[in-house]
Amino acid sequence: DAGVIQSPRHEVTEMGQEVTLRCKPISGHDYLFWYRQTMMRGLELLIYFNNNVPIDDSGMPEDRFSAKMPNASFSTLKIQPSEPRDSAVYFCASSFPGHSTGELFFGEGSRLTVL
Amino acid sequence: QKEVEQDPGPLSVPEGAIVSLNCTYSNSAFQYFMWYRQYSRKGPELLMYTYSSGNKEDGRFTAQVDKSSKYISLFIRDSQPSDSATYLCAMDTGRRALTFGSGTRLQVQP
Repeated sequence: DAGVIQSPRHEVTEMGQEVTLRCKPISGHDYLFWYRQTMMRGLELLIYFNNNVPIDDSGMPEDRFSAKMPNASFSTLKIQPSEPRDSAVYFCASSFPGHSTGELFFGEGSRLTVL
Repeated sequence: QKEVEQDPGPLSVPEGAIVSLNCTYSNSAFQYFMWYRQYSRKGPELLMYTYSSGNKEDGRFTAQVDKSSKYISLFIRDSQPSDSATYLCAMDTGRRALTFGSGTRLQVQP
């Protein structure tokens, strides 16, 4: 399997622009997670889905952030409008059914810079 | 106060040294404890997984959990330059969404 695939790998945009990050989880995985990583705050959970349904979005920082999972093989994280403080590495991860907990498979991340 | 506290380092050791990495936590509901390793510009990958208090060994790595003290550790024996990475502790109450420490950056000098 190719692993979790994220795009774009790097994004540089200006404040106020819309940003869309994309994720393709590993086939057969039923959980999908979006995390954000910064030097100051470490790795923070934003939202996660089970069988395409959002389970917990309490980590989404503001209404400017939204996430969707229209099918089992695709998810998006959108920021509109973007702000400089949104600059971070955004990771998508997935995990497989039948495993109680523990192993998340991470993508390589999308590095976002908002000027 | 963060739910999971981890010394950010950096920690620099000579090759062959024993490395000790630690995390403390405040949420008694955490049941599952993990260590992830993250190389520069990569996503984290699972290194060790434990459930309940005690020790678990895997090659040069030993994970230790002390629930009574809310303290977990990772020991690396005979450290190698290839072990240079950021080590993140992670914990879960069972809901499958992990809470991570901030990570400790380790540099093993050849």
